[in-house]
Amino acid sequence: EDQVTQSPEALRLQEGESSSLNCSYTVSGLRGLFWYRQDPGKGPEFLFTLYSAGEEKEKERLKATLTKKESFLHITAPKPEDSATYLCAVRTHTGRRALTFGSGTRLQVQP
Amino acid sequence: GAGVSQTPSNKVTEKGKYVELRCDPISGHTALYWYRQSLGQGPEFLIYFQGTGAADDSGLPNDRFFAVRPEGSVSTLKIQRTERGDSAVYLCASSLGAGVGEALHFGNGTRLTVT
Repeated sequence: EDQVTQSPEALRLQEGESSSLNCSYTVSGLRGLFWYRQDPGKGPEFLFTLYSAGEEKEKERLKATLTKKESFLHITAPKPEDSATYLCAVRTHTGRRALTFGSGTRLQVQP
Repeated sequence: GAGVSQTPSNKVTEKGKYVELRCDPISGHTALYWYRQSLGQGPEFLIYFQGTGAADDSGLPNDRFFAVRPEGSVSTLKIQRTERGDSAVYLCASSLGAGVGEALHFGNGTRLTVT
């Protein structure tokens, strides 16, 4: 059974304090790893897709990286508006089209 | 452009009642997904449509849950004999196709409360 585990569950940072969120996965053949951002009362908003170990993608203060066992979402010099829950999801070789999500990391950036 | 639209945004119902939740996907998106999200958890897959047919309904928890997409666009999730444990946010997502890299685009969900 595919498993996605995110850590930490919650993270509080000061504005400008860089950090990383972790997503570890145990799957039967990864076809894609997805990062989403979710604001309270809203649906998840797509950020990145990563396909293979060594791949990196960047968007503003966010950079996502992928290894064979885990993915990291690095947040450089965060701002209060980066506060949200960050979700990781995988699509695998089982042929299932649906994404399997982790429980997310709740990030709070204080000014 | 218009995103995924879900109605109602909130629904309160009594235990044992029947409810319908509606999803309007992004125009032209052939794939449509329903997920359920409980507080503090990630979205949990329920059912996936490719066109009009349910290609994967393995996430539906029991036979009280049913979904349709008769014309390959709008979808309705139907829950019979609701239970308090059905309370959650029901999310709908769509994607342009079924490619491995296709990202899902989510609506803002329907918050269902069963009293």
